[in-house]
Amino acid sequence: EAQVTQNPRYLITVTGKKLTVTCSQNMNHEYMSWYRQDPGLGLRQIYYSMNVEVTDKGDVPEGYKVSRKEKRNFPLILESPSPNQTSLYFCASSLAGVSEQYFGPGTRLTVT
Amino acid sequence: GNSVTQMEGPVTLSEEAFLTINCTYTATGYPSLFWYVQYPGEGLQLLLKATKADDKGSNKGFEATYRKETTSFHLEKGSVQVSDSAVYFCALGGYQKVTFGTGTKLQVIP
Repeated sequence: EAQVTQNPRYLITVTGKKLTVTCSQNMNHEYMSWYRQDPGLGLRQIYYSMNVEVTDKGDVPEGYKVSRKEKRNFPLILESPSPNQTSLYFCASSLAGVSEQYFGPGTRLTVT
Repeated sequence: GNSVTQMEGPVTLSEEAFLTINCTYTATGYPSLFWYVQYPGEGLQLLLKATKADDKGSNKGFEATYRKETTSFHLEKGSVQVSDSAVYFCALGGYQKVTFGTGTKLQVIP
């Protein structure tokens, strides 16, 4: 089954404790990205990757890191989480930026 | 940069009413346009898409036409059902970035 998986689905952590949210796709897509969803703000792109070893900033990259060492995986790293990063995070993949995005189920992160 | 503006919600309609959710955009180049739907507690899924000017996307009774002259991609449905209650996002896919609108919550009451 074609899918995007994210782990964990729910995470409660404390300020400053490094965390990683994993994302994996099995569709051989070249384009992957991370979004955060906040009430009233819709989805905002954090980082995107157009291919292996190619990553670039989206609209809200501050406080986040990503890497793309393999085509299928695109982890999101918060090295020092802060409460303003409490949000619902979605990973997505597609053939390209102009193509349909396939979304993961979301990760709800709470930083206290 | 690219941007997407969609009408604020919530929108409350009675079953079988006509639905319009407005979406306008600004963009450089030749982006694709999308409508995604998010049902309560779920992720986003594609509703319909259009890849070039004058294309009409359609799915499940929903339609939207890519209008370059008015930079719009309004979502319409002739007769909504309770099961259409969800949040609808207009999105613009560029060569690099993808830009979403803020979402419009639709509630359909019996």
